[in-house]
Amino acid sequence: ETGVTQSPTHLIKTRGQQVTLRCSSQSGHNTVSWYQQALGQGPQFIFQYYREEENGRGNFPPRFSGLQFPNYSSELNVNALELDDSALYLCASSLGGQGNYGYTFGSGTRLTVV
Amino acid sequence: AQSVTQPDIHITVSEGASLELRCNYSYGATPYLFWYVQSPGQGLQLLLKYFSGDTLVQGIKGFEAEFKRSQSSFNLRKPSVHWSDAAEYFCAVARSGGSYIPTFGRGTSLIVHP
Repeated sequence: ETGVTQSPTHLIKTRGQQVTLRCSSQSGHNTVSWYQQALGQGPQFIFQYYREEENGRGNFPPRFSGLQFPNYSSELNVNALELDDSALYLCASSLGGQGNYGYTFGSGTRLTVV
Repeated sequence: AQSVTQPDIHITVSEGASLELRCNYSYGATPYLFWYVQSPGQGLQLLLKYFSGDTLVQGIKGFEAEFKRSQSSFNLRKPSVHWSDAAEYFCAVARSGGSYIPTFGRGTSLIVHP
């Protein structure tokens, strides 16, 4: 059973650019959630996808967008990058739209915006 | 909306000593409660979860947590800490019905002295 895989592991972008982060969910999981974790903080919920549909969204602006594919992998896209977008971006997969079995997290993508 | 408070930013213990990490939540009904651990540069790993039933929950790595409704608490405990337990610990709460979106606390950093 494979876990959650995220790519790339590290990324440096310039303010104003766009970035795409990728996540492969754990085998058998159909729900993917994305979190932003700033340094020294807990993860903040961005959005969740269940069977390719957005299933919930946190307090993030529209320039944060996502996709889930038929194989349940997912992308997080961020447009017009700002310095404050620098953070660890975590993807988590779970089984079922309610995810009450607990999440399996990937190791994250460290994004630095300069 | 639910919220989580982890009042201790840092906790320092000696190896072999007992440990208790505090977590208080705010939610109108019985929540789903979780503890996760994060090692440096890694994603989050689920230690244990509470949904219903026995209020004392056993998890992995020798951890346990007790749900106390009257105190809105879900404290994590371990009788004897090992140096490898040094990490960041996050408490999370989710609604027990409808769309599942766990909210994380800001975390407690555990330092273990030899």
